[in-house]
Amino acid sequence: ILNVEQSPQSLHVQEGDSTNFTCSFPSSNFYALHWYRWETAKSPEALFVMTLNGDEKKKGRISATLNTKEGYSYLYIKGSQPEDSATYLCAFNGRGNQFYFGTGTSLTVIP
Amino acid sequence: NAGVTQTPKFQVLKTGQSMTLQCAQDMNHEYMSWYRQDPGMGLRLIHYSVGAGITDQGEVPNGYNVSRSTTEDFPLRLLSAAPSQTSVYFCASSREKGTLYGYTFGSGTRLTVV
Repeated sequence: ILNVEQSPQSLHVQEGDSTNFTCSFPSSNFYALHWYRWETAKSPEALFVMTLNGDEKKKGRISATLNTKEGYSYLYIKGSQPEDSATYLCAFNGRGNQFYFGTGTSLTVIP
Repeated sequence: NAGVTQTPKFQVLKTGQSMTLQCAQDMNHEYMSWYRQDPGMGLRLIHYSVGAGITDQGEVPNGYNVSRSTTEDFPLRLLSAAPSQTSVYFCASSREKGTLYGYTFGSGTRLTVV
């Protein structure tokens, strides 16, 4: 069992603020890192799949970076909107077939 | 395109009862998995399958059985339910190990064991 840590655990921001969260994972035997968005009463939805050190992905106002050598990924949200309120999960895949999820960062955007 | 379908959505069991949580996907995905979600614990992998006829254990397999007789279906069986199995269960599938495409999740099954 591997340790995937996300910080902060929860975050409240004002509408229009930019914010970022961290996902830390083992730096050895890296294969892929996923980010998911999970709205209340729904299922997690894939945001990004990142495989290469230095990867940067972007979808609208949300972007992510990856550093496999030091074992972390950042998720950024620019100009947060109330509809961005959700839990953001990261999942680490090493060389095996198992994915290990972090406990998530719960984001609340206050109008 | 239904994606990943889980049934039932809610279930209450008595301790010692058995039941099967159903999961079906219509995307021809090879990789399927079952997770449980508990407060403060995140999603934990119970069992997974890399293709029909192939299954393996995840982090928390005790008390659960799976089989994969077809590409589409991946049922999760609780042989003798215990209160510790009260949780929300998610089935997920992916074209392969999820490296390029991410997982598609079902809508979840909320199970209460009394």
